[in-house]
Amino acid sequence: DAKTTQPTSMDCAEGRAANLPCNHSTISGNEYVYWYRQIHSQGPQYIIHGLKNNETNEMASLIITEDRKSSTLILPHATLRDTAVYYCIVREYGNKLVFGAGTILRVKS
Amino acid sequence: DTAVSQTPKYLVTQMGNDKSIKCEQNLGHDTMYWYKQDSKKFLKIMFSYNNKELIINETVPNRFSPKSPDKAHLNLHINSLELGDSAVYFCASSQLAQGFHNEQFFGPGTRLTVL
Repeated sequence: DAKTTQPTSMDCAEGRAANLPCNHSTISGNEYVYWYRQIHSQGPQYIIHGLKNNETNEMASLIITEDRKSSTLILPHATLRDTAVYYCIVREYGNKLVFGAGTILRVKS
Repeated sequence: DTAVSQTPKYLVTQMGNDKSIKCEQNLGHDTMYWYKQDSKKFLKIMFSYNNKELIINETVPNRFSPKSPDKAHLNLHINSLELGDSAVYFCASSQLAQGFHNEQFFGPGTRLTVL
């Protein structure tokens, strides 16, 4: 079972920042937080991952709380093409990704 | 060039038939995976191969048999297809480096419909 809790859906205006929350209150000390997204009818796409420090790449920023029990994925300037299901994943043993239900992000013009 | 490719993209077949889905990656990765996404959109791992050796085998009926002829290919053969096998099947690959911070690259998916 997935170890994360995410809102079912969110809306965001085009050009605005999209902030997607994720709760992972049972995360252990050596587990990382990963974010993937799945655009309709495509395979999932890696976005970013982090342990405890905030991370940023060309796609997004990841903010992890100090107690590591929650995190927020930030898409700084959402576009219509960012409409997708966003999955927050806590990495389990070995190489296995366990996907939950994710958050449906709708970017609207 | 497509990094992870799957064939066919769509597969419609009758119950009881045997079918295969092929996956190829040109990223030079050493690890490949099969995932199943059912009608409720939950994505679940089925198998993982590292250097042609099975390393993850979830609770999957033995009608499903993955085969990895080399590091770049991981095919999925399904015997005696059932209605419940209808789903989208995704192949993925990654480089299993030290630790596990290895991004998985997914293929476009194969939509299997069993009638």
